[in-house]
Amino acid sequence: NAGVTQTPKFQVLKTGQSMTLQCAQDMNHEYMSWYRQDPGMGLRLIHYSVGAGITDQGEVPNGYNVSRSTTEDFPLRLLSAAPSQTSVYFCASQKDGSYEQYFGPGTRLTVT
Amino acid sequence: TQLLEQSPQFLSIQEGENLTVYCNSSSVFSSLQWYRQEPGEGPVLLVTVVTGGEVKKLKRLTFQFGDARKDSSLHITAAQPGDTGLYLCAGDGGSWGKLQFGAGTQVVVTP
Repeated sequence: NAGVTQTPKFQVLKTGQSMTLQCAQDMNHEYMSWYRQDPGMGLRLIHYSVGAGITDQGEVPNGYNVSRSTTEDFPLRLLSAAPSQTSVYFCASQKDGSYEQYFGPGTRLTVT
Repeated sequence: TQLLEQSPQFLSIQEGENLTVYCNSSSVFSSLQWYRQEPGEGPVLLVTVVTGGEVKKLKRLTFQFGDARKDSSLHITAAQPGDTGLYLCAGDGGSWGKLQFGAGTQVVVTP
């Protein structure tokens, strides 16, 4: 099993550009989440999903969209990138009934 | 928002020394987890504590959940360079898939 995979590993965007961060898991986990990690602030929840077709906002959802058309995939879309979105983004998955979240390797995004 | 405060923010010790990291909140959590994160990688779960007063041991690491389920501590005995990393606590408020993370404690163990 590959676990949780994220692409790309690194990305540089100009202000106003849009892009999609990809996340996939092959563990058939029901729950998936997106976090951003900034120095001194830990991980903050952006959006999460409890199953295909169901998404909800986390702590810092503004400027991001998500969808969950399949159990395996949970892409994160930046509609119009801003320098404040420069961060490291982590996707995680979790099996229903389990406490453990499995994290992907992260995407380091820089917006200039 | 249930805030989790970790202390200290940074800890640098020599190999063989002991260390303790704290995670405190004014809110009650259903469970509390400790993760370790290494540079360029995602966090990896070390332990989950669920019951107030619970103590769990993982080799040289001892985790404790406060009686009121608002705080937790991580104690490392005889630290080794391999223990170097960012230690994160995360609280589960009862909603699956949603974790509230502390800011983390960066631990550096030098030989």
